[in-house]
Amino acid sequence: AQKVTQAQTEISVVEKEDVTLDCVYETRDTTYYLFWYKQPPSGELVFLIRRNSFDEQNEISGRYSWNFQKSTSSFNFTITASQVVDSAVYFCALRSFESGGSYIPTFGRGTSLIVHP
Amino acid sequence: NAGVTQTPKFQVLKTGQSMTLQCAQDMNHEYMSWYRQDPGMGLRLIHYSVGAGITDQGEVPNGYNVSRSTTEDFPLRLLSAAPSQTSVYFCASSPLTGAPNTEAFFGQGTRLTVV
Repeated sequence: AQKVTQAQTEISVVEKEDVTLDCVYETRDTTYYLFWYKQPPSGELVFLIRRNSFDEQNEISGRYSWNFQKSTSSFNFTITASQVVDSAVYFCALRSFESGGSYIPTFGRGTSLIVHP
Repeated sequence: NAGVTQTPKFQVLKTGQSMTLQCAQDMNHEYMSWYRQDPGMGLRLIHYSVGAGITDQGEVPNGYNVSRSTTEDFPLRLLSAAPSQTSVYFCASSPLTGAPNTEAFFGQGTRLTVV
C-alpha cells in the first residue's frame, strides 16, 4: 500500500535559518504524483507544489525549493532564510494508481515548523 | 468560483447528539473525501467517494456516515456524537480520471467540540 512518511514531527528554527522538511514515500506504481501543502495557524490548507514521477527536475520558487529523488523515494522541501510567516504545518501527499485505481491521496502526518524571530 | 464550501465553521455538540457537516464543490470533481485532524495525527481519512452513489470507508470511519447523491455534495453525518469526535474536520475534492496530477481542494474546515 502506498505510504507517506514525514518523520519530523516538529522543527524549531530561528529566523533566517535554512530548514529542510523531509518526505519519504512508498508506492509500487511507476507513475505517481507528489504534493506539498501548507497549513498556517489560520487553519486552511494551501497547495504549494506538485511533482510527477517522470519529472525529477528540482524546482525553486523564491525562498522555497523542492528536491525530488526517485532513488531514495524522497521529495524534500527546503525553505531558505526562513521567516516567521513560514510557521505552519506542512503536509506531503502522494497520489498513485495503487490506491484501488482511484488515485486516492495519501497524506503524511505533517511537520510543524516554528520559526522564532 | 467557490471551490469547496464546508459548513459550519464551528460547532459545539452535546454527547449523543447527531449532526451533519455539509460539503459542496462546484468543480465537477469525482473524488470527495472527509478528513479529521487531531494534534500530532495529521490528516486521517474518514470516508471518501469516487462518484455519485459510491462511497467507501477510510482509516477512521466508525461513528460517521456519508452519502453521495450528487456529484456536488458529500455530507458527513455524526450519528451519536462522542467526546472522541472532537476534532477539526476537512472536506476535500479532486478530479480523478484524466487529471490524477491535480491537487486536492480543501474546504475551510469545521472545528467540532463534543462536550
